[in-house]
Amino acid sequence: DTEVTQTPKHLVMGMTNKKSLKCEQHMGHRAMYWYKQKAKKPPELMFVYSYEKLSINESVPSRFSPECPNSSLLNLHLHALQPEDSALYLCASSRRITSGDSYEQYFGPGTRLTVT
Amino acid sequence: EDQVTQSPEALRLQEGESSSLNCSYTVSGLRGLFWYRQDPGKGPEFLFTLYSAGEEKEKERLKATLTKKESFLHITAPKPEDSATYLCAVHGGSQGNLIFGKGTKLSVKP
Repeated sequence: DTEVTQTPKHLVMGMTNKKSLKCEQHMGHRAMYWYKQKAKKPPELMFVYSYEKLSINESVPSRFSPECPNSSLLNLHLHALQPEDSALYLCASSRRITSGDSYEQYFGPGTRLTVT
Repeated sequence: EDQVTQSPEALRLQEGESSSLNCSYTVSGLRGLFWYRQDPGKGPEFLFTLYSAGEEKEKERLKATLTKKESFLHITAPKPEDSATYLCAVHGGSQGNLIFGKGTKLSVKP
């Protein structure tokens, strides 16, 4: 099974709201990722967790706050977003991150976020 | 600077008309090259991983090949359901993350 699940599928939120995106995988992967994708653009990396610890933070604004409660779950907490943050938010996972090897990432279906 | 360039940006084929998509890369020490398929509004679907020049992988009508400078995704006798955006991504020695190309949007007409 190579499934990564994400909830919700769609989210509409106002600029003053607080919401969370959730991601889950049961493949035993120890690396999990958040990406942002705008229309007709490739995915842009936001955060990487390796063994439940934040490994990469690509200078993302503090209104996005990631959390990795355990090896299977990844959350993205949203607060005071701007309309330009509207995008498809993708979660992905891979076996692990090492200094030498490279492993494919498996993506979830995404959450379509609209900020009004 | 590590870079991935995909061509063409868009490709229109008739059903059954075979063709190839190109992914050229500049990266310091390739650790892996990945092909994904993405349908509109959905997450990328993993297709292939290639690690070294000369390697080839096949899946149904798709075949991926790798040289030291580029990768090709060959599509043999495509069907309308092969219509999607195909993304290439590389993992280089100096990067902890994938570098994506901008994708090739493939349309296959019946």
